[in-house]
Amino acid sequence: DAKTTQPNSMESNEEEPVHLPCNHSTISGTDYIHWYRQLPSQGPEYVIHGLTSNVNNRMASLAIAEDRKSSTLILHRATLRDAAVYYCILRDAKGGSEKLVFGKGTKLTVNP
Amino acid sequence: KAGVTQTPRYLIKTRGQQVTLSCSPISGHRSVSWYQQTPGQGLQFLFEYFSETQRNKGNFPGRFSGRQFSNSRSEMNVSTLELGDSALYLCASSLTTSLSTDTQYFGPGTRLTVL
Repeated sequence: DAKTTQPNSMESNEEEPVHLPCNHSTISGTDYIHWYRQLPSQGPEYVIHGLTSNVNNRMASLAIAEDRKSSTLILHRATLRDAAVYYCILRDAKGGSEKLVFGKGTKLTVNP
Repeated sequence: KAGVTQTPRYLIKTRGQQVTLSCSPISGHRSVSWYQQTPGQGLQFLFEYFSETQRNKGNFPGRFSGRQFSNSRSEMNVSTLELGDSALYLCASSLTTSLSTDTQYFGPGTRLTVL
């Protein structure tokens, strides 16, 4: 059911940049790409979202491929608090019902 | 601004019982969505309510139901509990019902254990 593909896990060192990839080859023209993350023992939290062009906010940057079939979440300087499961999500709209479909996500480990 | 609150945070029930979980959205948010999270299936969408109406529904049996009140608070009910219903139930609120563009704010979840 998930429309996105992400690596199961990634590792980074503190203070270094992290690039988290996501493939969404079946994306439709009107689908926004959303990223959420879930810290241990917490509910998911919003990170960033975008449609076509690259997006930046205080938490991260989102680089979207020109054909929109893939995207990369960039954490510019990873901290220990960034250790979480990162979800790349598209909206699923079938039969008049709309929902966000979460895949398995990427578990990011940040080493001190 | 207070975040999304869910009560209770932990719950233990036995098979066959029913359970009601509560969610209070962020003030001003009118959309409430419910998700089930298990180690095997991950995060799965249950349903979404907006202005007291169910707008969207996931692929769950009819034992799972919900409702939304005029103050946007929402409850979900699971009847005839099964062992497989043990999970973290997450509630998320947003300003509108546009899942394309709107941001969802999640609560801490209710951990349900069915014995």
